[in-house]
Amino acid sequence: TQLLEQSPQFLSIQEGENLTVYCNSSSVFSSLQWYRQEPGEGPVLLVTVVTGGEVKKLKRLTFQFGDARKDSSLHITAAQPGDTGLYLCAGAGPSNTGKLIFGQGTTLQVKP
Amino acid sequence: GAGVSQSPSNKVTEKGKDVELRCDPISGHTALYWYRQRLGQGLEFLIYFQGNSAPDKSGLPSDRFSAERTGESVSTLTIQRTQQEDSAVYLCASSLVSSTGELFFGEGSRLTVL
Repeated sequence: TQLLEQSPQFLSIQEGENLTVYCNSSSVFSSLQWYRQEPGEGPVLLVTVVTGGEVKKLKRLTFQFGDARKDSSLHITAAQPGDTGLYLCAGAGPSNTGKLIFGQGTTLQVKP
Repeated sequence: GAGVSQSPSNKVTEKGKDVELRCDPISGHTALYWYRQRLGQGLEFLIYFQGNSAPDKSGLPSDRFSAERTGESVSTLTIQRTQQEDSAVYLCASSLVSSTGELFFGEGSRLTVL
């Protein structure tokens, strides 16, 4: 069974601070996605990483896929209140069936 | 429609009753997923449909849960003899066939079992 462990589960910070969220597994993933979810809505895709060691940037967000494709991180620079939400990582298995397994999520609160 | 549509958006039922949740995916999306999300938590995989292939039912928590999909269109998730622990938001998502494809989610059906 493939499992994704996210840490921390909860994070409350002040506006302007930096933070990193981690997504770890003992399994290898063919690709990994990060989603952000706001209350009452479904998750929305932020990024997909597919190559070991890959780094992608989306404005103040930096995503990295581990060399062994077992882990990933999301770093936010100078967090803003608008970054508040639930961040979810999701991995696709090496068999490429398309089935995505989600981590338990990281709830981020950015206080003004 | 432009996005994934789910109904009902809210359902309150009594323990022991059956409920049916509906998902209308984006037209042309061959893959359809059902996930369960408890308050403030991540998404628990339930079932995955891909085209005409046999569905991956490995996430269904018990035989009270079942799901069907007609071709590449609407899907229904049925929960029989509901229990209080079934209370959660049930999210449906669809995507184009691809292991790296983006999942497009509906807003979910919030189920409360009294």
